[in-house]
Amino acid sequence: NAGVMQNPRHLVRRRGQEARLRCSPMKGHSHVYWYRQLPEEGLKFMVYLQKENIIDESGMPKERFSAEFPKEGPSILRIQQVVRGDSAAYFCASSDGTKETQYFGPGTRLLVL
Amino acid sequence: EDKVVQSPLSLVVHEGDTVTLNCSYEVTNFRSLLWYKQEKKAPTFLFMLTSSGIEKKSGRLSSILDKKELFSILNITATQTGDSAVYLCAVRSNDMRFGAGTRLTVKP
Repeated sequence: NAGVMQNPRHLVRRRGQEARLRCSPMKGHSHVYWYRQLPEEGLKFMVYLQKENIIDESGMPKERFSAEFPKEGPSILRIQQVVRGDSAAYFCASSDGTKETQYFGPGTRLLVL
Repeated sequence: EDKVVQSPLSLVVHEGDTVTLNCSYEVTNFRSLLWYKQEKKAPTFLFMLTSSGIEKKSGRLSSILDKKELFSILNITATQTGDSAVYLCAVRSNDMRFGAGTRLTVKP
């Protein structure tokens, strides 16, 4: 049973470009969470999605950021018109929704030049 | 491939008990090991360990790292129901890899 997969693992973008980060949850999981890693070792919650639904996007910046989890395919975190401050590690976690345990992917490191 | 293994996967104790959670790892270019408490939204950062044998303490929680044997333990003394959570271990190397977590349930 493959774990949570994220790709790409590393992404370099120039300011103003778009970044698309993908997350494939563990098999059988229909809940996905996106986090951004903070410099002080914390993780900042961004968004919580179920298939085709955004459950909680309270941690998502209002502009330039969007997330989706379609019926088929991976969840995508999209950052439009990236700025240098978007450079960070973005982690995805998945759960089956019945328990609170979240399984984390390896992260995508975004670098904005 | 880098690996982080936590044990046990789940644990049920009663208030006042002491618990020890384990995290073993196999990574290249180890930089640090981090412990988090996951309750609702984002995991809450607990400790970061970089050096062997130096205990870090915060209230009833403490943690230590053994870089020779490649593991860390998280101790919680005098557990309370509020300690019930999933405890995550993550190891930072060239990447950051999370373990599957230990689900701790503290019963009154």
